[in-house]
Amino acid sequence: IAGITQAPTSQILAAGRRMTLRCTQDMRHNAMYWYRQDLGLGLRLIHYSNTAGTTGKGEVPDGYSVSRANTDDFPLTLASAVPSQTSVYFCASSAQGATGELFFGEGSRLTVL
Amino acid sequence: GQNIDQPTEMTATEGAIVQINCTYQTSGFNGLFWYQQHAGEAPTFLSYNVLDGLEEKGRFSSFLSRSKGYSYLLLKELQMKDSASYLCAVRDSNYQLIWGAGTKLIIKP
Repeated sequence: IAGITQAPTSQILAAGRRMTLRCTQDMRHNAMYWYRQDLGLGLRLIHYSNTAGTTGKGEVPDGYSVSRANTDDFPLTLASAVPSQTSVYFCASSAQGATGELFFGEGSRLTVL
Repeated sequence: GQNIDQPTEMTATEGAIVQINCTYQTSGFNGLFWYQQHAGEAPTFLSYNVLDGLEEKGRFSSFLSRSKGYSYLLLKELQMKDSASYLCAVRDSNYQLIWGAGTKLIIKP
């Protein structure tokens, strides 16, 4: 693994089903993030974690949950998917430092029918 | 509210120069970022400005004026591979990133 890995890359899901998007990084970054990207809108933060064991809510947290049991993994769970959660989901991480640039995974395209 | 504005789409010619503008209104300021995103791919970091002025990195330069709430990304000697979306993001007083919707840059031969 090099960088951030997301899985699955694409998924079609029936409304009401539970879904977990996986995210793993091997850069030992403290901070991790989940964003959704929709056409015509900027990236919107769903949840974040500044360090293992802690999480926080972003701009659009409703319907999503996260956990951060260790430094490397940051899964995103949709407890009961709805069509409005159809989107491309990006996991990202950043190291502490002056710029704090984000490193993104390749994205997970989720379609909820 | 917090807001980042950038043009939706721009077209330029291969070999030319293009300037992509970004204006922002945010609660505090702790740096401005530019990211490049090719279609179907993840955003990748291009530049970071926290002080006023121009930061140059090869064919790409980024400018910041904090008093005007304004930045631009300048791309020189355009290549076809520069066709992508360019995302402007500002880190606010809570160190959260506020993202613009992105500017889709189309390069024509």
